[in-house]
Amino acid sequence: KNQVEQSPQSLIILEGKNCTLQCNYTVSPFSNLRWYKQDTGRGPVSLTIMTFSENTKSNGRYTATLDADTKQSSLHITASQLSDSASYICVVSDRGSTLGRLYFGRGTQLTVWP
Amino acid sequence: EADIYQTPRYLVIGTGKKITLECSQTMGHDKMYWYQQDPGMELHLIHYSYGVNSTEKGDLSSESTVSRIRTEHFPLTLESARPSHTSQYLCASSEPSGTGNEKLFFGSGTQLSVL
Repeated sequence: KNQVEQSPQSLIILEGKNCTLQCNYTVSPFSNLRWYKQDTGRGPVSLTIMTFSENTKSNGRYTATLDADTKQSSLHITASQLSDSASYICVVSDRGSTLGRLYFGRGTQLTVWP
Repeated sequence: EADIYQTPRYLVIGTGKKITLECSQTMGHDKMYWYQQDPGMELHLIHYSYGVNSTEKGDLSSESTVSRIRTEHFPLTLESARPSHTSQYLCASSEPSGTGNEKLFFGSGTQLSVL
């Protein structure tokens, strides 16, 4: 069964600290993996996409990694800010075509305290 | 900032009422989607469209219906709302991509509460 599991379910950190969010998937075949950020009361916004051949990709203070062999991805947030408080959702696509299906994780709820 | 808009943001209605959730995008995207999201749960696809006059049911069974008469407009209708329909409804669109690496652009959602 194709699944996307995220951990931890929730996380509280102090402003300025780093954190890492995990995403494990069993989706096959694999096309790509996206991380989305969803602020409270808003729709998700794409942070980054990882394809099969990519190991690491950065977007400002966000760095995503992908290990296609172990089917794991992580999102590392550096020097956290209060505005990083949000739900971070991992989404995996199962094929590289318009017929591709998306599998959503339940998200990690991150809270950054001052 | 995505140019996709949903109205209303919040809706509280009584059981049995007919409602329409509006979704419009100004990006000219052919593909549009409706997702249902409950707290702490993953998004579930309930409807999608690949273009004008194209609508398909998604993975999650839903009593709602959709229409796509214009590219920019993708409304969702519930003929008779029930408390089990209480949820957040998210509309999205995606830009063309033959590689499957499509990025979804989401609206801010409609939080529906049926009493």
